[in-house]
Amino acid sequence: DADVTQTPRNRITKTGKRIMLECSQTKGHDRMYWYRQDPGLGLRLIYYSFDVKDINKGEISDGYSVSRQAQAKFSLSLESAIPNQTALYFCATSDIGTPYNEQFFGPGTRLTVL
Amino acid sequence: AQSVTQLGSHVSVSEGALVLLRCNYSSSVPPYLFWYVQYPNQGLQLLLKYTSAATLVKGINGFEAEFKKSETSFHLTKPSAHMSDAAEYFCAVPKGDYKLSFGAGTTVTVRA
Repeated sequence: DADVTQTPRNRITKTGKRIMLECSQTKGHDRMYWYRQDPGLGLRLIYYSFDVKDINKGEISDGYSVSRQAQAKFSLSLESAIPNQTALYFCATSDIGTPYNEQFFGPGTRLTVL
Repeated sequence: AQSVTQLGSHVSVSEGALVLLRCNYSSSVPPYLFWYVQYPNQGLQLLLKYTSAATLVKGINGFEAEFKKSETSFHLTKPSAHMSDAAEYFCAVPKGDYKLSFGAGTTVTVRA
């Protein structure tokens, strides 16, 4: 079984719709992250969380919100989707005990906003 | 703040040829540097990491990278490309507060 899972894997939606992307992990890590990947831009951080009570904005948080429902679950919401939010979205985790920030990634969710 | 620059968004190599992917870091010497690989339709996985213990770092699948302070570089190499090496490769550096800053990525195509 995968350590970091994301649902759905693919989603097509329309402008203005509310969308939720979900991430679950069985690694027991405290830190969780949401990134979006766009061609030529690499990965950009949307939000991150160091524990259930801790939520932080990343580089590109506008238009997104998150919820850390439990240590193992971190969901990303697009309140009103727009076409330039079409991208590949990744969830990642890291262990609070590691001296360097090695992150473990889910398989990604490909979101298309029409 | 630390950042990395990957030179070349696409690299095409023949099977059996050398693979060289370039990454340069900014400003001060980082304590750590990473190379991640993303195979088609998959998430990123760690290929190798530099942690100041050794300047030449060996990773999975025959890849290695050398940290060169004088050149502010951490280039990734593999002596002989295999078809399975076709993927996108990302260099990354810690960016304070347990975050990572990623390069723009280099897509590798392997020609038979």
